[in-house]
Amino acid sequence: NAGVTQTPKFRVLKTGQSMTLLCAQDMNHEYMYWYRQDPGMGLRLIHYSVGEGTTAKGEVPDGYNVSRLKKQNFLLGLESAAPSQTSVYFCASTNYRNTEAFFGQGTRLTVV
Amino acid sequence: KQEVTQIPAALSVPEGENLVLNCSFTDSAIYNLQWFRQDPGKGLTSLLLIQSSQREQTSGRLNASLDKSSGRSTLYIAASQPGDSATYLCAVSLISGGYNKLIFGAGTRLAVHP
Repeated sequence: NAGVTQTPKFRVLKTGQSMTLLCAQDMNHEYMYWYRQDPGMGLRLIHYSVGEGTTAKGEVPDGYNVSRLKKQNFLLGLESAAPSQTSVYFCASTNYRNTEAFFGQGTRLTVV
Repeated sequence: KQEVTQIPAALSVPEGENLVLNCSFTDSAIYNLQWFRQDPGKGLTSLLLIQSSQREQTSGRLNASLDKSSGRSTLYIAASQPGDSATYLCAVSLISGGYNKLIFGAGTRLAVHP
């Protein structure tokens, strides 16, 4: 029962570097989400997808891009990392509107 | 704008106590409400999901209730144990801007001491 898997679990980047976070789910869920969690700020939605080939902006999309080329994968990209993007990133998936949301274990990203 | 508030922000209790965590939301037009547990440095684990048409859900020592009209949910933990120590988050699901949006509270940090 893999559920939602995030890769990598930890990463340190230098300012200006780029990276991609991978989220994979094996539950055939339609909806996938990327959140960031910061102390005192709670969980904030970055981008989301309602199906393969679709993406849309959430609450805090600036500095991030996403792609959903396959239904099971949702990629979050940072083109030019900034210290303000130091955070814990969570991926989640759910099916339609009334079902349970499942979260990955998170990626702890530090930008120095 | 939907806002989710959790009270208290932190709670410390001795083992064995029954306790109640509170979650309130400002807009009653929700699809469901979900309670999560988060251990330090870990992801979110779903505990209970209450559909908007339901009043409560139970799982083991956990019982969650939902009162949509008053915008409130409670998570009741019976006979608390040190292993229950974690942060508990509630989230409401609603349709906003054409997608299923989860809005989280800031969480209640629970410590159960032996």
